[in-house]
Amino acid sequence: GEDVEQSLFLSVREGDSSVINCTYTDSSSTYLYWYKQEPGAGLQLLTYIFSNMDMKQDQRLTVLLNKKDKHLSLRIADTQTGDSAIYFCAERPPGTYKYIFGTGTRLKVLA
Amino acid sequence: DAGVIQSPRHEVTEMGQEVTLRCKPISGHDYLFWYRQTMMRGLELLIYFNNNVPIDDSGMPEDRFSAKMPNASFSTLKIQPSEPRDSAVYFCASSSAGPYEQYFGPGTRLTVT
Repeated sequence: GEDVEQSLFLSVREGDSSVINCTYTDSSSTYLYWYKQEPGAGLQLLTYIFSNMDMKQDQRLTVLLNKKDKHLSLRIADTQTGDSAIYFCAERPPGTYKYIFGTGTRLKVLA
Repeated sequence: DAGVIQSPRHEVTEMGQEVTLRCKPISGHDYLFWYRQTMMRGLELLIYFNNNVPIDDSGMPEDRFSAKMPNASFSTLKIQPSEPRDSAVYFCASSSAGPYEQYFGPGTRLTVT
């Protein structure tokens, strides 16, 4: 497909792990990104992964990349109420500096 | 660095008026992007610049929209005349070489009545 796809909503309990999934469009995309958007704010870069990597860990965040299936996931360990936000994945196809953003997943963390 | 700066943060205008949105990218970044975000259409890339030159404006909705980057530290997005369907949050982002991660400004919330 031509769209970067994400599920719209995810609800988890505080302290649990959250997994946000993304299916992207171009298997040759060089970099893939995760952004967080809190209400009334701009997008904040959380992390990115280069396409020759399968996994990247950064504190509570773990990114998994499956190039064969064009699947990207973001795992947030020990999810906190402050993690409630919209999470966007994005890909940068080769030969362009444009990003293709997903539709965003709204994460709600229940206390 | 103060990050990407956008002004104004909020703009309310009447249909038919001219609107100018402003952006100051992060110093040293040579790419600048303008996005529009709405509930219905999500995040849309409108145009992007490299070294002050427009590279891809295929996302600009129509001739009522124009963007300029007169120097490395300033860009404008102008809508003339504005229409209610232009109501959205407009983001500016900048990036530099490497992974080209984009850094977003806080956005301008535009309401056209």
